[in-house]
Amino acid sequence: SQTIHQWPATLVQPVGSPLSLECTVEGTSNPNLYWYRQAAGRGLQLLFYSVGIGQISSEVPQNLSASRPQDRQFILSSKKLLLSDSGFYLCAWSNRMNTEAFFGQGTRLTVV
Amino acid sequence: EDQVTQSPEALRLQEGESSSLNCSYTVSGLRGLFWYRQDPGKGPEFLFTLYSAGEEKEKERLKATLTKKESFLHITAPKPEDSATYLCAVQGGAQKLVFGQGTRLTINP
Repeated sequence: SQTIHQWPATLVQPVGSPLSLECTVEGTSNPNLYWYRQAAGRGLQLLFYSVGIGQISSEVPQNLSASRPQDRQFILSSKKLLLSDSGFYLCAWSNRMNTEAFFGQGTRLTVV
Repeated sequence: EDQVTQSPEALRLQEGESSSLNCSYTVSGLRGLFWYRQDPGKGPEFLFTLYSAGEEKEKERLKATLTKKESFLHITAPKPEDSATYLCAVQGGAQKLVFGQGTRLTINP
């Protein structure tokens, strides 16, 4: 069966520090991959999505970037964090037939 | 541009009181409409995917329906454990998943 791993679960980082959040998927090949951010009590804002290795689409201009170095690995990065980068970050994958789309358990990022 | 609007923002029901949540959407070339349940501090949990108008899917006390412009999530005789935020998303030709703001459902015992 397919599983999605996202870590860490919580992270506290100082302003100006770098960020790297990793997401990996098991049990499927060539998935679509997504990074979302969710503010408290709000919906999911799509940040990046990828339909293949090295193919990244950015939805919102911001302080973040994404990379897909391997088929089932999706990384969210920042060179210098801002206070406004705090939030709940979620990784998701969907299969090519679009029958299902699953989420990781999320990373709660607090920038101090 | 793909868009999803969910209503109401919040809904409070008594245990056993049935109701419906609405998801209105505009999308270029619908590939799928997804419903999720999200508990506080957790990632969304997949419930259903609907593909074409007229389609219906059921799971326990939940039933999702789809028309060309909207989807409904019907909750029959809800229990307190059904309390959660329910999210709707669409996937169009660009393959990105676009979400609505969610409906926060509270079921009082």
